[in-house]
Amino acid sequence: LAKTTQPISMDSYEGQEVNITCSHNNIATNDYITWYQQFPSQGPRFIIQGYKTKVTNEVASLFIPADRKSSTLSLPRVSLSDTAVYYCLVGFLSGSARQLTFGSGTQLTVLP
Amino acid sequence: SQTIHQWPATLVQPVGSPLSLECTVEGTSNPNLYWYRQAAGRGLQLLFYSVGIGQISSEVPQNLSASRPQDRQFILSSKKLLLSDSGFYLCAWRYSYNTEAFFGQGTRLTVV
Repeated sequence: LAKTTQPISMDSYEGQEVNITCSHNNIATNDYITWYQQFPSQGPRFIIQGYKTKVTNEVASLFIPADRKSSTLSLPRVSLSDTAVYYCLVGFLSGSARQLTFGSGTQLTVLP
Repeated sequence: SQTIHQWPATLVQPVGSPLSLECTVEGTSNPNLYWYRQAAGRGLQLLFYSVGIGQISSEVPQNLSASRPQDRQFILSSKKLLLSDSGFYLCAWRYSYNTEAFFGQGTRLTVV
């Protein structure tokens, strides 16, 4: 499984765009990139997944460069309720089941 | 629609006592099932995962065991709890062909 590296923490202000970058130098050809959000005392919640280029949904955008060795989660116009831990996961799709291993995540704190 | 049930929500157990946490999934068949533990202020530690009935993979050697007696039932057990077993336990499921996982509400275990 590809190892991921994320910043431990980030601060932002309400209304700003937040970009969280994840490094995954050993990503395999068949690996996907997925991001989760976790609030205190809750289980993580799926945000977005992608394989290459750009993916956008109602919550976030995911930018993946051509070499796929990193990815950036972009949260537009964050609010206080976006304060959470964000996890980047790589490489859990295959013909058979794969592990679902979370790294340390990035603690995002949105300030008023 | 699929739902995941995990109970109890909170549990206080003395050191040396047994443990049994149950997780059930509804509305799906042949899911991949996962048990995680999260210590206070830490990331999610994958404990066990299962791709089918009776098939358990252990990620971390420890005082815990898991079983999957039925397709949609995943049980986490311990014969004798340690203080270090305290934490927030989460059960999750996903389809093997999908990156989106769904988590239960978690069990807050305190070993005293």
